[in-house]
Amino acid sequence: DAKTTQPNSMESNEEEPVHLPCNHSTISGTDYIHWYRQLPSQGPEYVIHGLTSNVNNRMASLAIAEDRKSSTLILHRATLRDAAVYYCILRDDSGGYQKVTFGIGTKLQVIP
Amino acid sequence: DAMVIQNPRYQVTQFGKPVTLSCSQTLNHNVMYWYQQKSSQAPKLLFHYYDKDFNNEADTPDNFQSRRPNTSFCFLDIRSPGLGDAAMYLCATSFTGGRNEKLFFGSGTQLSVL
Repeated sequence: DAKTTQPNSMESNEEEPVHLPCNHSTISGTDYIHWYRQLPSQGPEYVIHGLTSNVNNRMASLAIAEDRKSSTLILHRATLRDAAVYYCILRDDSGGYQKVTFGIGTKLQVIP
Repeated sequence: DAMVIQNPRYQVTQFGKPVTLSCSQTLNHNVMYWYQQKSSQAPKLLFHYYDKDFNNEADTPDNFQSRRPNTSFCFLDIRSPGLGDAAMYLCATSFTGGRNEKLFFGSGTQLSVL
């Protein structure tokens, strides 16, 4: 499986934008980039995903580099409820049935 | 409206006493996953079902078993829990598991082993 690299932790001030980076230099042409987040004592929840083009939804934006070797999850205005662990995941067809493997993720702290 | 429901939220068992965790879904998804998450670690995939087709991860201990009697329900059985099995157990679903699909997670069951 292609691997991802994320910083272990990041801090942001409340109501400011947050840019969470993810490196995936071994990504293949058919790998989708997914982001999930996990609030304390909760199961992970889907945030956003994309293949090549930048994506926007009500939760966040995903900016994908032109060579696809990196991506950035953008929270436009961080709130205290955004404090969570954010996982960047590559989804491919290896291993059968498209299993989803989590890395360590980035723990985001939001400062009031 | 909860779509992936895990019961119980907290489970306490004794060392060596079999325990079963349950998961149900209202999404009619084909794929159901079980993950184990220890404190401050990433979720680790134990196994998953595509319909009735069971897929075990190579490093999942034999102590962990699973059953899926129908589309809606999936169970995780730990035959002889050890202290090292204390963790959060997460159930997730996906329509077909395609790489363009998202996973839906339950809130998890926190297992304690005394």
